Amino acid sequence: GENVEQHPSTLSVQEGDSAVIKCTYSDSASNYFPWYKQELGKGPQLIIDIRSNVGEKKDQRIAVTLNKTAKHFSLHITETQPEDSAVYFCAASMWGKLVFGTGTRLLVSP
Amino acid sequence: DAGITQSPRHKVTETGTPVTLRCHQTENHRYMYWYRQDPGHGLRLIHYSYGVKDTDKGEVSDGYSVSRSKTEDFLLTLESATSSQTSVYFCAISAGDVDQPQHFGDGTRLSIL
Repeated sequence: GENVEQHPSTLSVQEGDSAVIKCTYSDSASNYFPWYKQELGKGPQLIIDIRSNVGEKKDQRIAVTLNKTAKHFSLHITETQPEDSAVYFCAASMWGKLVFGTGTRLLVSP
Repeated sequence: DAGITQSPRHKVTETGTPVTLRCHQTENHRYMYWYRQDPGHGLRLIHYSYGVKDTDKGEVSDGYSVSRSKTEDFLLTLESATSSQTSVYFCAISAGDVDQPQHFGDGTRLSIL
């Protein structure tokens, strides 16, 4: 079955810096790749997603890139703010079944 | 926010007792999912439903059963709870199965002593 690896497990940046989180997947049939942000005591919140027929997608300060050949995808956050501090999860999906990475704890210091 | 309500939000119970968690949605979405979240494992799929009375197993289904008698409700049952089932349980909903976003509730924290 699908396996998703996520790195790094923790990431500390200064406010205004960029943050990059990387994921790799194993099953080339996966075709949908969402990213979630989870704050303490809350459920994961979808922040951006990308489908396998697209290489890059942007939404304001957040962007996701997908390299199907290498089977990896990345989340890029620019101009980080303290409210970006949270745990971020990547996932890969085939036929609606999401397989998640183990999460990245992002800390943005003022 | 997606209209998803999980109940209870917190529960403490003893080994061997039955436990039922409820997920209620107001979006009329066809697909509903149950995940568990444990440190070091991310979220893992337990069971999912693709319609009323239509369910299937996920990655970690042993020890769990589900039922869906109405579009809006999806129940997760632990017939005889074990300490290894201590976890945070999340329900998610989706309008479709292919390339459709899943939206999550705020979870149920379950402790089994």
